[in-house]
Amino acid sequence: QLQLQESGPGLVKPSETLSLTCTVSGGSISSSTDYWGWIRQPPGKGLELIGGIYYSGSTYYNPSLNSRVTMSVDTSKNQFSLKLSSVTAADTAVYYCARITGTPGHWGQGTLVTVSS
Amino acid sequence: EIVMTQSPATLSASPGERATLSCRASQSVSSNLAWYQQKPGQAPRLLIYGVSTRATGISARFSGSGSGTEFTLTISSLQSEDFAIYYCQQYNYWPPMWTFGQGTKVEIK
Repeated sequence: QLQLQESGPGLVKPSETLSLTCTVSGGSISSSTDYWGWIRQPPGKGLELIGGIYYSGSTYYNPSLNSRVTMSVDTSKNQFSLKLSSVTAADTAVYYCARITGTPGHWGQGTLVTVSS
Repeated sequence: EIVMTQSPATLSASPGERATLSCRASQSVSSNLAWYQQKPGQAPRLLIYGVSTRATGISARFSGSGSGTEFTLTISSLQSEDFAIYYCQQYNYWPPMWTFGQGTKVEIK
């Protein structure tokens, strides 16, 4: 059964870079049919897709965040990662990783990242 | 970007009542429409995908319908554990730029 788990710092200072990693188990991140993505949810608000990455490294990002987002993949570790630069308090959210192709519903449990000095 | 609009924002109902939640897409999403349930402190849980297919382990009291741009999630008889926030999501395009509705909160009347 496919499982995803987010990891990374829970506290980031304003203007710094948020970095998270998603570890995939029960399936291969190198699947030719799958994209992998990051979704976030600010406290008390709705869900927003940040972007997605293919095992080859091909990426696409939400235009609202495009200039600050970088995603990467490490097929040897079955992981993919998110970097969000120049963070502000508005980037405080629960960040989820997910498989974003095929049947939806394969998400990690989420990790809260707070932006604060 | 496909905009998903849910209504109502809040639905107040009593246990045992039927609940009907609506979701409208700004353009056709074919049958690539899902519904999620979210409770406080938890990740969204997939209820329905492909407009009307229940996910594994989901009660038959949840049903989905619709096509194109208009979709409905129906809870036939509300149970205490059903009071939560519900989101619709489209996953129509390639690359998969998911978008979500703003959510409908189902609260106890």
